[in-house]
Amino acid sequence: DGGITQSPKYLFRKEGQNVTLSCEQNLNHDAMYWYRQDPGQGLRLIYYSQIVNDFQKGDIAEGYSVSREKKESFPLTVTSAQKNPTAFYLCASSIREGGYTFGSGTRLTVV
Amino acid sequence: KQEVTQIPAALSVPEGENLVLNCSFTDSAIYNLQWFRQDPGKGLTSLLLIQSSQREQTSGRLNASLDKSSGRSTLYIAASQPGDSATYLCAVNSGNTPLVFGKGTRLSVIA
Repeated sequence: DGGITQSPKYLFRKEGQNVTLSCEQNLNHDAMYWYRQDPGQGLRLIYYSQIVNDFQKGDIAEGYSVSREKKESFPLTVTSAQKNPTAFYLCASSIREGGYTFGSGTRLTVV
Repeated sequence: KQEVTQIPAALSVPEGENLVLNCSFTDSAIYNLQWFRQDPGKGLTSLLLIQSSQREQTSGRLNASLDKSSGRSTLYIAASQPGDSATYLCAVNSGNTPLVFGKGTRLSVIA
């Protein structure tokens, strides 16, 4: 079955540590997205990529980095510069100008 | 900048009731409007996608309508069931821009 796989489901980060969230899709979608969800805030866009080797900043890109070396993969790194990383992170993909498909999310907690 | 508002923020209804969830957006030049369902701690499940040339979409007990000129969409749920309890999210985009989300309506259907 086609879909989006996010891993891990739960992730714990120590102060000053970089962590990477994985997002893989087998839907042959061109575009991929990362959103952050906080209670009461709705979903906010971090980064998106419409084609391999190209990506754009969203509304809250500071403290995050991404790469898009393969069509299927769009990993998100949460760097030590992100001062409040505790949140639920959602990855999505879409065909050009089509509907979005979301993964099951990664819950990141700072310990 | 596109803004999406969902009213009400929370709704509690008895089982069997028909109900309407509202979504409004500030820029009527949208390409897609998509309704999602989110269960606690889970990812987003797409319910209905309405493209700009369409006025409504139906899936089972769900019907979504779109009025671009007034910047509004409604999600109608017929004969509600306890299994419909979840948060419902509305999102819009314009052309190649990523989806912009409302904060959602949290629905509780009481048996």
